[in-house]
This record gives sequence, structure tokens and C-alpha cells, in this order.
Amino acid sequence: AQTVTQSQPEMSVQEAETVTLSCTYDTSENNYYLFWYKQPPSRQMILVIRQEAYKQQNATENRFSVNFQKAAKSFSLKISDSQLGDTAMYFCAFMNFNKFYFGSGTKLNVKP
Amino acid sequence: DVKVTQSSRYLVKRTGEKVFLECVQDMDHENMFWYRQDPGLGLRLIYFSYDVKMKEKGDIPEGYSVSREKKERFSLILESASTNQTSMYLCASSPPSGGRGELFFGEGSRLTVL
Repeated sequence: AQTVTQSQPEMSVQEAETVTLSCTYDTSENNYYLFWYKQPPSRQMILVIRQEAYKQQNATENRFSVNFQKAAKSFSLKISDSQLGDTAMYFCAFMNFNKFYFGSGTKLNVKP
Repeated sequence: DVKVTQSSRYLVKRTGEKVFLECVQDMDHENMFWYRQDPGLGLRLIYFSYDVKMKEKGDIPEGYSVSREKKERFSLILESASTNQTSMYLCASSPPSGGRGELFFGEGSRLTVL
């Protein structure tokens, strides 16, 4: 079975600084997708960034980037120039054959 | 934009009541999912459906059933609600496996069972 582990239940960062959220996963599959989702307070969960396992290049989306280490089964999210609107729960997710597995989440607080 | 709509944002029910949670998506997605979200546990899959009238159990199906009579609609049913089913319920949809796998979520339904 696939498992996803987020070891940081809560983190804080000052506005404009950089923060990294950790995620590890366990799978015996070779082809899969990894995701980071953001859930703002009382709002809908939205996709932040996606990584295909067969791609060695790390995905980037504006201020968001990942460090994908396939051999180590690690998938961390870096948020640069943090903004107040980045305050949210962040979930790491693994997908294979249409089944998604989520971590327990990291609550990120961006402080002014 | 893809829209996934859940019928109720907040519900309060009594133990033993039958509860229906409705979810509708407007992007003709084949796959639909029901998750339960609890603090410290993340999202846990209850049921998913990859086609009309097709369903598969997820990781925590006990106490729940689902119905998918039309492609756009996926309902979660609690036959006899219990207090341990108090939770946030999230519906999601995704294109078939040939797509890039992104899940699109509804806003969630927070259920309280008294």
C-alpha cells in the first residue's frame, strides 16, 4: 500500500521569507504522480503543483517549487517570497492508477 | 473552470438519521471520489467511482454507501449516522487516467452528528 508522510504538523514563516514543507512517501510503483494541494481556511482545496515521477526536472509554478528525490522518495515544497495569502493547510498527495493517497497535512501560518 | 458543487456546507443530524451528501461536477469527469477529512489524519478515501453505476470501496467504507446514477452526480449516504461520523466530507472529481491526474474538489460538507 502507498503511504504519504508529512512530519511537520504546523509551521510558521515571516512574510517575504522562504519556507520548505517536507513530504515522504512509500511505494513500490515506478510510474506515479505527486501533488501539493492547498486548503485555505474555510475554502476549497486547490492544486499548487504537480510532478510526474518519470521527469527528473523539478516542477516550478511561480513562487512554488519542489525538490523531488525519487530514490529517497521525498517530495518537498518550497514557497519563496511567502505572502499572507499562502496561509493554509498544505497536503502532499501521491497518485497511481487513479487512486490518490494524502498525507496528514501541514498547517502553514504566514506572519506579517 | 471545473466546478464541483456539494449540496450542503454545514449539516447537523441526530444519531440514527439517514444522511445524504450530494456532489455534482460540470466537467464530464469519469472519476468521482468521496473523502473524509479529520485533523491529523489528512484525507481518507471512503468510496470512488470511475463510471456511472460503478463504485469501489476506499480505505474507510464502513458505515457509508454511495450512488452514481448519472455521470455528473455522486452521492454519499450514511444509512444510520453515528457520532464518530462527525467530520468534514470532501467530494472530488478527475478526468480519466489518460489525463494528468489532477483532482478537483468541492468546498466540503461539515457534518455534525449529535
